[in-house]
Amino acid sequence: GENVEQHPSTLSVQEGDSAVIKCTYSDSASNYFPWYKQELGKRPQLIIDIRSNVGEKKDQRIAVTLNKTAKHFSLHITETQPEDSAVYFCAAASYYGGATNKLIFGTGTLLAVQP
Amino acid sequence: NAGVTQTPKFQVLKTGQSMTLQCAQDMNHEYMSWYRQDPGMGLRLIHYSVGAGITDQGEVPNGYNVSRSTTEDFPLRLLSAAPSQTSVYFCASSYTSGRAYEQYFGPGTRLTVT
Repeated sequence: GENVEQHPSTLSVQEGDSAVIKCTYSDSASNYFPWYKQELGKRPQLIIDIRSNVGEKKDQRIAVTLNKTAKHFSLHITETQPEDSAVYFCAAASYYGGATNKLIFGTGTLLAVQP
Repeated sequence: NAGVTQTPKFQVLKTGQSMTLQCAQDMNHEYMSWYRQDPGMGLRLIHYSVGAGITDQGEVPNGYNVSRSTTEDFPLRLLSAAPSQTSVYFCASSYTSGRAYEQYFGPGTRLTVT
């Protein structure tokens, strides 16, 4: 089955700096790659996702890149702010005929943005 | 819309007791799933369902049962609780029709087994 590895497990940056979180996946059939943000004591919430027919996607200060050949994808956060502090999870899913939405998650990255 | 709701928010069980975690969604989502979250291990898929009457196992199904009698509800049953099942449990739902859709998570249930 699918296996997703995520690095680093913790990341500390100064406010205004950029942060990069990297994930690799094992199943070459995976074609959907979302990123979730989880604040302390809260539920995970989707912040951005990318599909296998796209190499890069950007939404304001957040961007995601996908390299299907190498089977890795990354989250980039620019101009970090203290409110970006949270745990970030990557995930991967494959779809066969659109019958499932089975996400396998990485182990998470705790991002701390120092003011 | 209430979105995805879970009850209870907190629960303490003794080893060997059974209980059911409730999950409901009012978005007419076909897909529903249960995850457990443990420190340093991310979110691990327990069971999932692609529609009423259809369920399947995820990464860590042992010790848990599910059923899906309606589109709205997807309860998770612990048959004989063990301390290893101490965790935070999240239910999630989404559309599935032909492509990937955002999964919406419930607020979670924090379970402690003593």
